[in-house]
Amino acid sequence: DAKTTQPPSMDCAEGRAANLPCNHSTISGNEYVYWYRQIHSQGPQYIIHGLKNNETNEMASLIITEDRKSSTLILPHATLRDTAVYYCIAYAGGTSYGKLTFGQGTILTVHP
Amino acid sequence: DSGVTQTPKHLITATGQRVTLRCSPRSGDLSVYWYQQSLDQGLQFLIHYYNGEERAKGNILERFSAQQFPDLHSELNLSSLELGDSALYFCASSVAGVETQYFGPGTRLLVL
Repeated sequence: DAKTTQPPSMDCAEGRAANLPCNHSTISGNEYVYWYRQIHSQGPQYIIHGLKNNETNEMASLIITEDRKSSTLILPHATLRDTAVYYCIAYAGGTSYGKLTFGQGTILTVHP
Repeated sequence: DSGVTQTPKHLITATGQRVTLRCSPRSGDLSVYWYQQSLDQGLQFLIHYYNGEERAKGNILERFSAQQFPDLHSELNLSSLELGDSALYFCASSVAGVETQYFGPGTRLLVL
């Protein structure tokens, strides 16, 4: 799986959009970009994933650059409960046989 | 709530002992994955089972073993426990082998 690079920490004011960047310059054509988050020591929570096109769901939006070398997770209106570690993972599914490779992630702190 | 359940939530035991962690996947999911999260190693993939068969192994110690039963629940057995085995153990499940993984709440193991 391709290596991903994320900033170690970010801050965001409550109610504002949180934009979390991820670099995956060596991503291969069959690898999806997945985002998970982990609040405290709870189980990682799936947020969103995409291959080429931008994606949106009830939690977030995912913007993937045209060359697929980087992406941005957008939480449109961050709340205090969004404070968590956010993981960006390049995952090819079958060829990885289910192995999600978690890096250090980005610690997002949402403050009042 | 992801639909994945894990028991027990907490486990305290002594070095040299053996414990069994249990995971029930989401209804309809055939794949179960085990991950370990320790303070110094982060989230690490241990093993993947699909419909009762082992599909992939990660950094799983020989003292650890897992199985998936006909009803699709899975157990992770940890034996000859050492202090360094203290960690959070997460189970995840997915429909087959390449789709989104959904994580359980984890079992916190403390070896004294």
